[in-house]
Parts: sequence; structure tokens; C-alpha cells
Amino acid sequence: EAQVTQNPRYLITVTGKKLTVTCSQNMNHEYMSWYRQDPGLGLRQIYYSMNVEVTDKGDVPEGYKVSRKEKRNFPLILESPSPNQTSLYFCATLAINEQFFGPGTRLTVL
Amino acid sequence: AQTVTQSQPEMSVQEAETVTLSCTYDTSESDYYLFWYKQPPSRQMILVIRQEAYKQQNATENRFSVNFQKAAKSFSLKISDSQLGDAAMYFCAYRRLDNYGQNFVFGPGTRLSVLP
Repeated sequence: EAQVTQNPRYLITVTGKKLTVTCSQNMNHEYMSWYRQDPGLGLRQIYYSMNVEVTDKGDVPEGYKVSRKEKRNFPLILESPSPNQTSLYFCATLAINEQFFGPGTRLTVL
Repeated sequence: AQTVTQSQPEMSVQEAETVTLSCTYDTSESDYYLFWYKQPPSRQMILVIRQEAYKQQNATENRFSVNFQKAAKSFSLKISDSQLGDAAMYFCAYRRLDNYGQNFVFGPGTRLSVLP
């Protein structure tokens, strides 16, 4: 079954404690992306990756890092989380003209 | 930069009735895709319908159809015979055709309630 997985699904953490949200896909897609969803703002792109070792900033990259060392994985790293990064996060891949989304990660930073 | 606007933060419809969700967008491109995504309480993002800008015919998927007005940059979603399971957040999205740079731009969403 084609899917995008994210872990963890829920996370509560404290300000400044580094965390990583993993994203993995089994569809061999080259393009992967991270979004955050906030009320009234829809989904906003954080970072995207065109292929292995190729990443670039989206609309809201501040406070985030990503890496793409292998095709299937695209982790999102928050080196020093802050409360304004409390949000719902989605990983997605792209095939031709359709995106496949992961199930989402609800992050709360206290 | 492209923008997508959904002017109705919330809407409601009676079960079995028809409702239309509005979406407008701003772009200087001539070729692009437009999408409607549904997000039920499970938070999963589900593709409802897709429209290619070069196609004049409006896309339809069962009870879901769009009214695509390219000149007006309008892309509304019509849900016919509304069902309780249609209650969700609906996002309109735009995608450029090229594979460089940012791909999808989402609107802020419309929360649809379906009343029994």
C-alpha cells in the first residue's frame, strides 16, 4: 500500500528541547515537502526537497531544518522549539499532479 | 507570488441539500492546477477534485463538481445531496505546472457543517 508515514503523531515538549519528526514514503517519489497547518492560515510550506541532498526553503522556514540523505526519508528538525511552533505538521510527496499526505503530527511546545 | 483566498470561514448545509464553497486565486501563470482537499476530523488530507487550467470543461467527481472561471480566477466547489460525512474543513489549493520552487499554495479553509 502506497503511504506516507509520520512519527510521532502527537508530541508535547518544552521550549528549547531539540526534536525530530520523521517522515517516510514507500512510493519512490523524488519530491517531498513539509507543511504546517494553523487555524485561519491553511497549510503553509516549510521546506521541500526535489531529490536526495536537494532541499530548499518554503514560505515559513525559520526555526526548522530538514535533511534528505535518502529518497524515502525527509525528517523535520526543530533545534530549539518555541511556543509559536505549536502546530499541526504534514509531510507530503508529489507524483505528477497529486500530493500524498502523511497523517499529520500534532506538536505542542510549552 | 500566488495567493488563494477562501472568503467563507464557515458554512452549513442541510442534509440532502446543495452547497457551494468559493475560492479565488491570484496568479500570472497561464497553466496550472487547482484542487479541493477535504480534511475530516481525522485530520487526513483527502483529494476531492482536481482541475487543469487548460481544460475548459469543469471537473466532476460523483456529487462534487467545480465551477472554474479562468478569467475571473474563481474555482468554486459544489456539493450536491450533502451527506453527514461531508462535514469537514475544505481547502482550495493551487499548483504551478513546473517542478521548481514551491508547488502548492493553500487557502485558509472553509469549515462545512452538515445539519441533519
